[in-house]
Amino acid sequence: AQSVTQLDSHVSVSEGTPVLLRCNYSSSYSPSLFWYVQHPNKGLQLLLKYTSAATLVKGINGFEAEFKKSETSFHLTKPSAHMSDAAEYFCVVSVGNDYGGSQGNLIFGKGTKLSVKP
Amino acid sequence: DGGITQSPKYLFRKEGQNVTLSCEQNLNHDAMYWYRQDPGQGLRLIYYSQIVNDFQKGDIAEGYSVSREKKESFPLTVTSAQKNPTAFYLCASMGGRITEAFFGQGTRLTVV
Repeated sequence: AQSVTQLDSHVSVSEGTPVLLRCNYSSSYSPSLFWYVQHPNKGLQLLLKYTSAATLVKGINGFEAEFKKSETSFHLTKPSAHMSDAAEYFCVVSVGNDYGGSQGNLIFGKGTKLSVKP
Repeated sequence: DGGITQSPKYLFRKEGQNVTLSCEQNLNHDAMYWYRQDPGQGLRLIYYSQIVNDFQKGDIAEGYSVSREKKESFPLTVTSAQKNPTAFYLCASMGGRITEAFFGQGTRLTVV
């Protein structure tokens, strides 16, 4: 069975310091993994995705994530936090669909709320 | 401009009423999804449809119904059988060679 665990429900950093949001997954197949960001009362925006190409994935707004199969992890990092990064972040794994395609259902982590202090 | 549109942004429902949330996409995606979001619980799948005229129950389908008569549209009806409908509802679509989901801006439903 596929599952996603975000290890921290809340992370607080100071502006200009590094960000680390942790995600572990469980998947029977080679997974597609994603990080999404959600600002209050908004939809989810894709930050980055891993789909079995390069293991270090660069996304928007300076975020990146590294796929580590041996550790079943896909942690999200950013070298220097900005006030505008304060939001909720979701780690997501995609499983195959019933018709044999790659687009199927998404399994969401419970989210990590990032606070950025001035 | 391609995208996925949810309406309305805010919706108020009296107890015992059915309400329908709209979700429209012009991305030509085959798959569409409805999620419910409650604080601290992440997103939970209500219903999904991978092709027109077919849909499947997700993890929390009780008290909800959907239809998929057109590729572009996947409306969600919250029925009076849903005992705790106050939540933020998100619609998403996925398809083609793109592997990620695109999300609408959400509808916040409140029971008054």
